[in-house]
Amino acid sequence: AQKITQTQPGMFVQEKEAVTLDCTYDTSDPSYGLFWYKQPSSGEMIFLIYQGSYDQQNATEGRYSLNFQKARKSANLVISASQLGDSAMYFCAMRSYNQGGKLIFGQGTELSVKP
Amino acid sequence: EAGVAQSPRYKIIEKRQSVAFWCNPISGHATLYWYQQILGQGPKLLIQFQNNGVVDDSQLPKDRFSAERLKGVDSTLKIQPAKLEDSAVYLCASSYYRAEEKLFFGSGTQLSVL
Repeated sequence: AQKITQTQPGMFVQEKEAVTLDCTYDTSDPSYGLFWYKQPSSGEMIFLIYQGSYDQQNATEGRYSLNFQKARKSANLVISASQLGDSAMYFCAMRSYNQGGKLIFGQGTELSVKP
Repeated sequence: EAGVAQSPRYKIIEKRQSVAFWCNPISGHATLYWYQQILGQGPKLLIQFQNNGVVDDSQLPKDRFSAERLKGVDSTLKIQPAKLEDSAVYLCASSYYRAEEKLFFGSGTQLSVL
């Protein structure tokens, strides 16, 4: 069975500091992808970053980086230099490519950036 | 590039009524998804289309929910009859290919069942 777990319902961070959002996953498929999406109060899901199971290096996209630890089955999102506009819900998601390929989501973490 | 369009933005109905949502994916995207997001939870996949064929509808409550994607472009999701527990945001997403990494999402339809 495929499963995504986010254990932090809410997080606070001071503006300009870095923050790590935790995500663990479970799949028996060796071929999978891990994603992070941001959902502001407007409701739209915004893609942030992607990591493939065979990628050797951690993915980075601007201020976002994904700390991929395959043996631990974790895919934590690191946001550097937090901004007020980063306040939103953050969802970790996974796609197992040999098991239908559907994108499943975790429960989400609500991030609040304090000025 | 235009994004994924959804309508209506909000809908309020009474239980046992019917409701329909519409989605227009990004031009050229072969794969279309409908997700249900209950307040405080992550989105749950209801149905996935590849062109106008269904790829996955394992979590679609087929006794009350139906979806179609005629001509492989627009899609409608219908609930008949609605229950209180159907109150949620219904998100539509699209991508080029089923294995494409990135899904593009619409703003969703917020449904309240009273």
